[in-house]
Amino acid sequence: AQSVAQPEDQVNVAEGNPLTVKCTYSVSGNPYLFWYVQYPNRGLQFLLKYITGDNLVKGSYGFEAEFNKSQTSFHLKKPSALVSDSALYFCAVRDEMNRDDKIIFGKGTRLHILP
Amino acid sequence: EAGVTQSPTHLIKTRGQQVTLRCSPISGHTSVYWYQQALGLGLQFLLWYDEGEERNRGNFPPRFSGRQFPNYSSELNVNALELEDSALYLCASSRRSEAFFGQGTRLTVV
Repeated sequence: AQSVAQPEDQVNVAEGNPLTVKCTYSVSGNPYLFWYVQYPNRGLQFLLKYITGDNLVKGSYGFEAEFNKSQTSFHLKKPSALVSDSALYFCAVRDEMNRDDKIIFGKGTRLHILP
Repeated sequence: EAGVTQSPTHLIKTRGQQVTLRCSPISGHTSVYWYQQALGLGLQFLLWYDEGEERNRGNFPPRFSGRQFPNYSSELNVNALELEDSALYLCASSRRSEAFFGQGTRLTVV
């Protein structure tokens, strides 16, 4: 069965600094990897995905993520953080090889951008 | 293109009652997922429907059930509500890879 881990409950970054939100995964086959953002009392918004191809994927709002197969990681990054980036971020994984592949989410990382 | 819509947005029920939550997927999406997000916690997988069939089920008691209709919309039913069922219930639809979420239904059980 697939699994995903977000080792940090909270990440604090000063505005203008680069940010990284960590994610590691485990699947039997090839992973489909996703990042979502959630603002208070709202649903999740899709940010970006990795299916195949270039290991660096770019998404919405200036976010990008790097797929690292050897480290089974898919960290979310942004070169310069904005206060408006403060939110709850979820990493998710889907196993391409598993017919019953549901999308599994990490527990979430709360990102605080300090002005 | 309309996104995933969920109804109602908020709901207050009494312990022991039954509730039905509804979800309309994005046009062309055949898969619907249901997740429970209790306060301060992550997303717990509830149910997955695809092409009208239940494909997978999370670790929830049988009083959580649902169905998917021929137009791919879906209902989540919860019987014999308990206080700990209070949560944000999120529906998502998918065609192949990523899922797109609705705004959720906030259920409060008193």
